[in-house]
Amino acid sequence: GESVGLHLPTLSVQEGDNSIINCAYSNSASDYFIWYKQESGKGPQFIIDIRSNMDKRQGQRVTVLLNKTVKHLSLQIAATQPGDSAVYFCAENMGRHGAILTGGGNKLTFGTGTQLKVEL
Amino acid sequence: DTGVSQNPRHKITKRGQNVTFRCDPISEHNRLYWYRQTLGQGPEFLTYFQNEAQLEKSRLLSDRFSAERPKGSFSTLEIQRTEQGDSAMYLCASSSRTGRADTQYFGPGTRLTVL
Repeated sequence: GESVGLHLPTLSVQEGDNSIINCAYSNSASDYFIWYKQESGKGPQFIIDIRSNMDKRQGQRVTVLLNKTVKHLSLQIAATQPGDSAVYFCAENMGRHGAILTGGGNKLTFGTGTQLKVEL
Repeated sequence: DTGVSQNPRHKITKRGQNVTFRCDPISEHNRLYWYRQTLGQGPEFLTYFQNEAQLEKSRLLSDRFSAERPKGSFSTLEIQRTEQGDSAMYLCASSSRTGRADTQYFGPGTRLTVL
């Protein structure tokens, strides 16, 4: 079935460098995408989101890029810090289309995650 | 802290026992979701409530699983006759239909271990 996936399971970066985490999705009906950060033993923490009518969105030290042509999503973290070490998940849902199909729900479909390791 | 809370945080049980987990969503959120996460994987959707109505259930939710949200506030997830394959992290998330883009915020999860 359609799914969200990640290109790399583990990414190691030096402290202070920029990190780029990639994600491929296959459901062309998806119109809302979210990046979550999950530390060991904790629930996923919302980082940033983007709707399909945008191709870039910036937050504090993070930028999400969406390329609908190739169905690709990326998360850029500037000046990576040790506290950024975690597993990062991209997630998608079908937004309004999904709501019509399911009666209002907006369930998220997650990829398997990328482990980000920040080396000192 | 007004985030999503879940109890208990950890549960160890013997195979065949019943367990119940509780989720308290963010107070103004009318949507509540349950997900299950196994080691090294992303969360998988189980079920969804809008207020007290359970509107969607995944095929992952076997007949041993039942979820309720009786007053449209907190929710419980019960697993009957637990099996070792039920061992996982059970995550609850909530969102607001009127909120920005229906962003789902997750609780800390309940880690279930079935011996």
